[in-house]
This record gives sequence, C-alpha cells and structure tokens, in this order.
Amino acid sequence: DAGVTQSPTHLIKTRGQQVTLRCSPKSGHDTVSWYQQALGQGPQFIFQYYEEEERQRGNFPDRFSGHQFPNYSSELNVNALLLGDSALYLCASSLKGPTYEQYFGPGTRLTVT
Amino acid sequence: DAKTTQPPSMDCAEGRAANLPCNHSTISGNEYVYWYRQIHSQGPQYIIHGLKNNETNEMASLIITEDRKSSTLILPHATLRDTAVYYCIVRDRPQNTGFQKLVFGTGTRLLVSP
Repeated sequence: DAGVTQSPTHLIKTRGQQVTLRCSPKSGHDTVSWYQQALGQGPQFIFQYYEEEERQRGNFPDRFSGHQFPNYSSELNVNALLLGDSALYLCASSLKGPTYEQYFGPGTRLTVT
Repeated sequence: DAKTTQPPSMDCAEGRAANLPCNHSTISGNEYVYWYRQIHSQGPQYIIHGLKNNETNEMASLIITEDRKSSTLILPHATLRDTAVYYCIVRDRPQNTGFQKLVFGTGTRLLVSP
C-alpha cells in the first residue's frame, strides 16, 4: 500500500515564476492538506481540500492556490514566486473526520533564486 | 499560533526511556493531543494521540495529566533512529465540520546518543 507521494522531490525556480507541486494521497484517503515548512521551523498549514473544494485556509496570500481532482490527488500552485517561498512543501492525507490522523508525504523542496 | 509549549532540545542515552514533556494549559474539553516526529528532511510521522486517557501503541506511550494541561510522550527504549524533532499538537478543529488542521510549534529536538 503506497503512502502519500509527492512530486517533484526538488525544484529550483526564479523569482516571479510560477510553480505547481503534486500530491497523491494514501490509498483510501479523501482529504488532502498542504503545509509549508521553512528551515528550522515547524510546518505551517496552507489549505485543505475535500470533495474538490477548499475547506480550510491558513494565513497565506492568494498567490497560493490549489486543486483537488476526482481521484483525490491534489496540486499546489504558487504564482509570482518570492525568495521567501523557499521551503519544504508537505502534503498530508487523511479521512474526513474529527480523529483521523494525517499521513505526510516526503515533501517537495522548493528553492527560489 | 501553536497551543503547546515544549523544551527546544533534549538528550537521551540509547536504550533508556525518553520522556518528552508538553504543556497545553489552554486545551479545551474536546481537543485531542497529537504527537508527530520528523526525522531530518522527511515528512512528519504520526506517533500517537489521546483525549484524556493514557494511550500506548507499538511506538510510544502517551501520559495525559488528569487536568489535561500537560502530557508526556514516552519512548520506552530509545534507539539512535529515534533522533528527530518531536511535535506536540493540540488539534485545532472548527466545530462540527469534521475538518482538522494541525498547528505545529517548533517542537523538541531529541538527540539519542550511544
């Protein structure tokens, strides 16, 4: 049973460019959350998708957007990249519900130069 | 903001028990305490969670005080592979929606030495 997978593993972009990160949830999971982790910090919640709709959003600008597909996979898009967007981007999947734990993928390391 | 307070770092000898404390004095009655760990440059790994009773699984034990204002994660026989950042999280969930997000603090960096 494959866990959460993310692609690509690493990515280097230039300021002002746009980037798309991809996530496939753990088999059987229907909810996908995205987190940003800057160096030396804990992960920060970006947003969460369920039934192809954004259900919760953290304190991130509109440059950060997402999508969930019918097969539950998800994309994170970041426009107009800033140097401060350099971070590890983590995807987590879970079942919708109050007590289900979230399973994290290995992350995508984004470097903005 | 994170609702938990943890020491920034701890050391433990291999084979000994590692006891990681967490304060969550503002926890509300229906909030769970979750523990995750993150080994360098990997995604966080779920360890255990609890509401009010002590919990144990194959990885660890979770002891929650009777007033629920603090908890302790216990790794009974720490190994070198347990070296990681450990996050204690009070799960923040909007009422009645069933959706949950995790609010991470900076965690405790546990170093297990030979």
